[in-house]
This record gives sequence, C-alpha cells and structure tokens, in this order.
Amino acid sequence: DQQVKQNSPSLSVQEGRISILNCDYTNSMFDYFLWYKKYPAEGPTFLISISSIKDKNEDGRFTVFLNKSAKHLSLHIVPSQPGDSAVYFCAAVNTGTASKLTFGTGTRLQVTL
Amino acid sequence: DTAVSQTPKYLVTQMGNDKSIKCEQNLGHDTMYWYKQDSKKFLKIMFSYNNKELIINETVPNRFSPKSPDKAHLNLHINSLELGDSAVYFCASSQNGQDTEAFFGQGTRLTVV
Repeated sequence: DQQVKQNSPSLSVQEGRISILNCDYTNSMFDYFLWYKKYPAEGPTFLISISSIKDKNEDGRFTVFLNKSAKHLSLHIVPSQPGDSAVYFCAAVNTGTASKLTFGTGTRLQVTL
Repeated sequence: DTAVSQTPKYLVTQMGNDKSIKCEQNLGHDTMYWYKQDSKKFLKIMFSYNNKELIINETVPNRFSPKSPDKAHLNLHINSLELGDSAVYFCASSQNGQDTEAFFGQGTRLTVV
C-alpha cells in the first residue's frame, strides 16, 4: 500500500524553463510534506517543506504547492539549472503520531542545456 | 565535518554471513533512523531510536538488529544475510522525534551474493 506516489519516474526540462514535479498521497492524516533531492551515491538532502495549513511555500527558485482536497502537491523549480539534475523524493508525515517519513518512489529530473 | 556518516559505503558479502553497518551523527540530534531503499527505489523506514530507545520498529525480519550505544550512534547488524537484503541502507537523524527535515547519511550499498 503505497501512500505517497510519484507517477512520473523521470522528467526532462530545458535549462531556464520551469520544472514541475508532482506527488499524490492517500493518507488524509498526513499534515506535513517535504521534498528531498538526491544525487547519485549520496543520501537525500532536504529541499523544501510545507505544512497542511498552507497551500504554498516558496524558497528562492523552489516553490511547493499543496492541494489538500486533491491530496496533491507539486514542486516548481524556476528557472531550472543543470545542477538541479537529481532524483526528487516527495515525503509525507503525520506529525501527531510517532512520526515517520513516508517517501514516494522519486522522479529523476534531467535539466538539459 | 560530515553531519551523518555511515560506514562502509559499499558492502559485498555472501549469503549466510553476518554484517554490521555503522552510523554516527554529529548534529546533536536525539533521534536516529534506518531506512532501506530497495530495487524499486522505495525508501522505507526500518527503525527509529530516540535517546537510545527504540520507538519505531517496522515489519522487519528479526535478523536485523539495531543497536544504539549512545545518542550519536545507531548501528545496524544483520544476521544470516539473504539475497533479498541487497539494497541501499540509509541512516538519518533529526531532532525531537519529528523526522521532518531529517538529515541523511550517504547510504550503504549492500550486495548479497
């Protein structure tokens, strides 16, 4: 039972354009969502997060949007840069319990020149 | 000055052997985790320790035994290794049990032959 889904295993975007990575979840108890970025042979690193009381959080080139009714969140990267090429994991947590991050399977982003 | 470090980075071993993976964090966090990323790229939590006490133990074979000698260390010992144990194992840490913004180690790629 996969509670966090990233249906696009890969995405290719031209440098300077917008990258949009999508994530869907099924557990309505999740109240905090995060995006992690992972380079090959490295561990995931935290990128940006959003609480369920918000619908948008912005940090520089990165913006996360949350649509609670649709149980959907997305990560926008504008403008995309070659250094953004990595695997992006969406994660969700219910902060009220013995919380644990539930991850999606990741989307590999390739930013081309 | 690596925040979360795991050793070894790569581990190749035969079926039936016993092996350990070590993890250390220098962030002063009080909660540490082990995650497993399998061949399908799922990142799943295995264990969580808070102040050396086990707080999350997912459905993991009892051949896997975490040991936390102190808050800064969480080692993973695996007995009687099986082919299906081949995966990348990530250690992580966070503060106060809220594993939002957990910091991950670089991962240990375990290959059982």
